[in-house]
Amino acid sequence: TQLLEQSPQFLSIQEGENLTVYCNSSSVFSSLQWYRQEPGEGPVLLVTVVTGGEVKKLKRLTFQFGDARKDSSLHITAAQPGDTGLYLCAAGDDKIIFGKGTRLHILP
Amino acid sequence: NAGVTQTPKFQVLKTGQSMTLQCAQDMNHEYMSWYRQDPGMGLRLIHYSVGAGITDQGEVPNGYNVSRSTTEDFPLRLLSAAPSQTSVYFCASSYGQGAPSPLHFGNGTRLTVT
Repeated sequence: TQLLEQSPQFLSIQEGENLTVYCNSSSVFSSLQWYRQEPGEGPVLLVTVVTGGEVKKLKRLTFQFGDARKDSSLHITAAQPGDTGLYLCAAGDDKIIFGKGTRLHILP
Repeated sequence: NAGVTQTPKFQVLKTGQSMTLQCAQDMNHEYMSWYRQDPGMGLRLIHYSVGAGITDQGEVPNGYNVSRSTTEDFPLRLLSAAPSQTSVYFCASSYGQGAPSPLHFGNGTRLTVT
């Protein structure tokens, strides 16, 4: 069974601070996705990483796929209240499974 | 653009009742799936389908049935609801199977079983 472990489970920080959240597995994946979910809505895809060691940037968000394609990180620079939400990583070659998520709260 | 449409948005059932959660997509996606989301548990895959006439079990399939008679529709049936099935249910679709095909989600059905 493929498992995706996300850490931390909860994170509450002040506006303007930097943060990193992690997604780890013992399995190797051909690609990995990050989603963000806001209350009352379904998750929305942020990025897909495909190549080991790949780094993708989305404005203040930086995503990295581990060299061995077993882990990934999401770094947010100068967090803003609009970044508040549930961040989920997902992977799978035939069926997509999700980690339990990191609930991020940015305090103004 | 409608995308993925789920109905109803809210439902309350008594233990033992049956119901069908509807999911429809207008993007001509072959892959569709159902997830349930519980506090602290993330999204857990119930059933998925790679095309019309083909379905398969996910991580937590017990107590749920699915069918895929058309590309557009993928209903989820609860035959005899139990309080453990209280959850928020999300339907998703994508053009291909597995990552890196992005999943497009509906806005969910919040189900309470008393």
